[in-house]
Amino acid sequence: QQQVKQSPQSLIVQKGGISIINCAYENTAFDYFPWYQQFPGKGPALLIAIRPDVSEKKEGRFTISFNKSAKQFSLHIMDSQPGDSATYFCAATRAGSYQLTFGKGTKLSVIP
Amino acid sequence: DSGVTQTPKHLITATGQRVTLRCSPRSGDLSVYWYQQSLDQGLQFLIHYYNGEERAKGNILERFSAQQFPDLHSELNLSSLELGDSALYFCASSPGSSYNEQFFGPGTRLTVL
Repeated sequence: QQQVKQSPQSLIVQKGGISIINCAYENTAFDYFPWYQQFPGKGPALLIAIRPDVSEKKEGRFTISFNKSAKQFSLHIMDSQPGDSATYFCAATRAGSYQLTFGKGTKLSVIP
Repeated sequence: DSGVTQTPKHLITATGQRVTLRCSPRSGDLSVYWYQQSLDQGLQFLIHYYNGEERAKGNILERFSAQQFPDLHSELNLSSLELGDSALYFCASSPGSSYNEQFFGPGTRLTVL
């Protein structure tokens, strides 16, 4: 059972555009939602994270939007740059748990 | 550089063999997590150790085992290897457990022929 569904699998965006990646979860006990960024040949690295007590969190060009009633959250990358080209993973976990449940990833390509 | 080190970077072996993957967490981190990344399954949590004790198990096969030593480094042992075990294996560490940012190592690419 895939507990975190991520879409799209791949995304091509022009430089300066907005990249949007969506995730949906099933387990209502999840209460921490991080996004990880992975470059080829590297391990994933935390990009930004949100808890469900807020509907939006912004850090620089990266914004997470969270819809608790719909059990959905999304990552928006504003003014996308070629250096943002990477694979992005959404994840979820819950209080008392030690494991991250990851979505299957979105490969983002930002073209000049 | 996350501060987490993993060795070896690449490992090529044959079916039926046994291998050991090694992880050194960031200085001061007590928690070590192991993940398997494959094309079809994505990133799957395998197991978590905190200060030498097993804390949680995920989708870890019985042929796989892990341990965390007193110096906090960890080893993941994979035995009776099958073709399907070919994947990237990541170790991550965090200061404590739950909600702490997990810092991932560069991974070990295992190829089973």
